[in-house]
Amino acid sequence: GNSVTQMEGPVTLSEEAFLTINCTYTATGYPSLFWYVQYPGEGLQLLLKATKADDKGSNKGFEATYRKETTSFHLEKGSVQVSDSAVYFCALSDLAENYGQNFVFGPGTRLSVLP
Amino acid sequence: DTAVSQTPKYLVTQMGNDKSIKCEQNLGHDTMYWYKQDSKKFLKIMFSYNNKELIINETVPNRFSPKSPDKAHLNLHINSLELGDSAVYFCASSRGGTAGHYNEQFFGPGTRLTVL
Repeated sequence: GNSVTQMEGPVTLSEEAFLTINCTYTATGYPSLFWYVQYPGEGLQLLLKATKADDKGSNKGFEATYRKETTSFHLEKGSVQVSDSAVYFCALSDLAENYGQNFVFGPGTRLSVLP
Repeated sequence: DTAVSQTPKYLVTQMGNDKSIKCEQNLGHDTMYWYKQDSKKFLKIMFSYNNKELIINETVPNRFSPKSPDKAHLNLHINSLELGDSAVYFCASSRGGTAGHYNEQFFGPGTRLTVL
């Protein structure tokens, strides 16, 4: 079956540091890839997405590139802020067996940014 | 306007009780989902409904029963609550996708269930 692996946290960085959160996936089909962010006490919000190989998703200074050859979708940001402290989830979606979409989430990576 | 809403936000109850969580989406999506998030933030899919029909039913105790009165609503009813049911429950919705282009999910704010 499909699966998503991402680096275990917590990740602690100083403000303005460079961020990378690794994500790799296993899928039988050709999935779409997503990064979601969950701030404390809230639901998940879509951060960015990519639907085909070499697509780059970007939002709020975050970027991730769909790498089919390495089955990866690593999240990066050049300069993190305290307000980026949250849990980040890598996810994929492809066709479910009996119609609809099948979403698979990684375990989440908690990021803490210190001033 | 809230895209995906859930009620209640907090639910504290005794073991053995029956409770329901309601979910509504105003996005016109045809697929809705329920997830359980444990204390370590791990997300587990419980159910998925497409056009009011069940399409995914992961290994969930039959004490949990989803009910979809229409495409905009997917409620979760839990019978005989147990301590291990304590978690945050998220509702989500999405548009249908096509091969090679799948659409993102929109999540509700969550319902924190505490079973005493």
